Amino acid sequence: EVQLLDSGGGLVQPGGSLRLSCAASGFTFSSYAMTWVRQAPGKGLEWVSSSSGGDYTTYYADSVKGRFTISRDNSKNTLYLQMSSLRAEDTAVYYCAKGGVVRGVFEYWGQGTLVTVSS
Amino acid sequence: QSALTQPASVSGSPGQSITISCTGTSSDVGGYNYVSWYQQHPGKAPKLMIYDVTNRPSGVSNRFSGSKSGNTASLTISGLQAEDEADYYCSSYTSSSTRVFGGGTKLTVL
Repeated sequence: EVQLLDSGGGLVQPGGSLRLSCAASGFTFSSYAMTWVRQAPGKGLEWVSSSSGGDYTTYYADSVKGRFTISRDNSKNTLYLQMSSLRAEDTAVYYCAKGGVVRGVFEYWGQGTLVTVSS
Repeated sequence: QSALTQPASVSGSPGQSITISCTGTSSDVGGYNYVSWYQQHPGKAPKLMIYDVTNRPSGVSNRFSGSKSGNTASLTISGLQAEDEADYYCSSYTSSSTRVFGGGTKLTVL
């Protein structure tokens, strides 16, 4: 059974940093693309970043490019999102999902982790 | 990376059919057959309903169907049921090697 467990959210001040984790199980993690999607309170879904399977090419939304870094540790079956220079508008529930940027077939999602950027 | 355009809300009575549109450009919806649709109930993670424009994942009811014409994709739900009441989002690959979601549509079952 595929499971994704998001963690690492919390309250952080503007300009601060935070690292989110997504622990995966039930599939060969190293072979699959993975994605982060966020949802601000009361708002819609926003694609944030993807890491492709195989060559692990990374992709970013313009809104986070240069501030966020997606990475993965295949030995720990874990996907990460390192977030820096955080802004109030980054406040959202962050979901990891199994699937990549091209086809966007996100059949499995984590439960989400809330990031609040506030002083 | 402008969001795809969806109606803010649609409604229908049980048993009826409704269609949710998702309008983009030739650089996203119109240029690729990589449109997917997600259902989200309050407080829950999204659920994949349609992928690659027309395909249904295993376990998703055949009351849900997808299509595309030009720069507009559509999700049709037939035989509306109370449990279909939720938010629906479309998503497409873009020519910038990114992915974009629609603004979301709230479906109300009357």
